[in-house]
Amino acid sequence: DAGVTQSPTHLIKTRGQQVTLRCSPKSGHDTVSWYQQALGQGPQFIFQYYEEEERQRGNFPDRFSGHQYPNYSSELNVNALLLGDSALYLCASSRDRVEKLFFGSGTQLSVL
Amino acid sequence: SQQGEEDPQALSIQEGENATMNCSYKTSINNLQWYRQNSGRGLVHLILIRSNEREKHSGRLRVTLDTSKKSSSLLITASRAADTASYFCAPGHQAGTALIFGKGTTLSVSS
Repeated sequence: DAGVTQSPTHLIKTRGQQVTLRCSPKSGHDTVSWYQQALGQGPQFIFQYYEEEERQRGNFPDRFSGHQYPNYSSELNVNALLLGDSALYLCASSRDRVEKLFFGSGTQLSVL
Repeated sequence: SQQGEEDPQALSIQEGENATMNCSYKTSINNLQWYRQNSGRGLVHLILIRSNEREKHSGRLRVTLDTSKKSSSLLITASRAADTASYFCAPGHQAGTALIFGKGTTLSVSS
């Protein structure tokens, strides 16, 4: 049983570009949450998707958007990249109403 | 959703010693979870304690919860070098709401 998988593992972009990160949840999970973790900081909640809709959102600008597909996989899109967007992006999945999160290994994004 | 605040920010101990880290939060919760993160990796769930529980054990882990003080502690007994990681607490509220993490406690266990 595969756990949460994220792709790509590493990514280098330049300022102003756009990026798409992908996440496949653990089998049986229908809820996907995205987090941004800057170096030395805790994970910051970006948003959560359930039933293909954004159910909850953290304090992130509209440049951050997402999508969830019928198979529960999810994408995180970031437009107009800034240097400050450089971080580890983590995807976590869960079953709805079940508290425990399962995390992927993350995508390390570097913006130059 | 609210985040927990872990204390201390950093902790260095020798192998075999016990490690205690604390978490405080501000509003009522349904449960509280602890996660571990090895450097540059995803978080791993360690243990969940519900608001009607006071103590819970899992292997070398012991978690306590004091809802009157809005605090929790995580004790790792007989620490090993492999316990070196960052530890995060996450207060849980209504089912389905997102978990919010603080800055964590960075534990270093030296041999």
